[in-house]
Amino acid sequence: LAKTTQPISMDSYEGQEVNITCSHNNIATNDYITWYQQFPSQGPRFIIQGYKTKVTNEVASLFIPADRKSSTLSLPRVSLSDTAVYYCLVGDEDNNNDMRFGAGTRLTVKP
Amino acid sequence: GAVVSQHPSWVICKSGTSVKIECRSLDFQATTMFWYRQFPKQSLMLMATSNEGSKATYEQGVEKDKFLINHASLTLSTLTVTSAHPEDSSFYICSASQGARNQPQHFGDGTRLSIL
Repeated sequence: LAKTTQPISMDSYEGQEVNITCSHNNIATNDYITWYQQFPSQGPRFIIQGYKTKVTNEVASLFIPADRKSSTLSLPRVSLSDTAVYYCLVGDEDNNNDMRFGAGTRLTVKP
Repeated sequence: GAVVSQHPSWVICKSGTSVKIECRSLDFQATTMFWYRQFPKQSLMLMATSNEGSKATYEQGVEKDKFLINHASLTLSTLTVTSAHPEDSSFYICSASQGARNQPQHFGDGTRLSIL
């Protein structure tokens, strides 16, 4: 299991781009990087997943450098409703049991 | 697609009661399900991993006789908190995997358990 490290909290303002970086120095060759979002009193929700370089979907982008020892979740033009806790998980594509969460990043978007 | 339903969403009961929480994958078959508990302002703590038709694998420090997990079918896993006490009060969340390579987890909306 690749241990992950994220900032505990971040503040931003509406309309800004937010970048949350996750460090995973011990990532293994087969590990994928997955980000989840969690609102209070709800289960986490999948945001994006990637292996290398850049992945983009309708809500976010994920940047992964060549050494894959970190990854950055990018949220374009955040709104108040993006206030949540964001978790990155790193796991083996052949081992779905790799589902231990780190501390996560509490993002607060201000008006 | 890929919806996980968790029931009940909220339960209050007296100390000593056993409480069963259900986790269902509504539109896919879940070969693996995970159970977590989460305290306020904290991250999710993995309790156990259950695979359909076999015994659950518990994380270190989680009492398997206290938290009984059954995964009898590909769409249903249950967590029973036996003889619950106030310290078992927490937010319990399940997730399910379709078992295919690189598939993300799909989470239920959690069960708020309060033991009086």
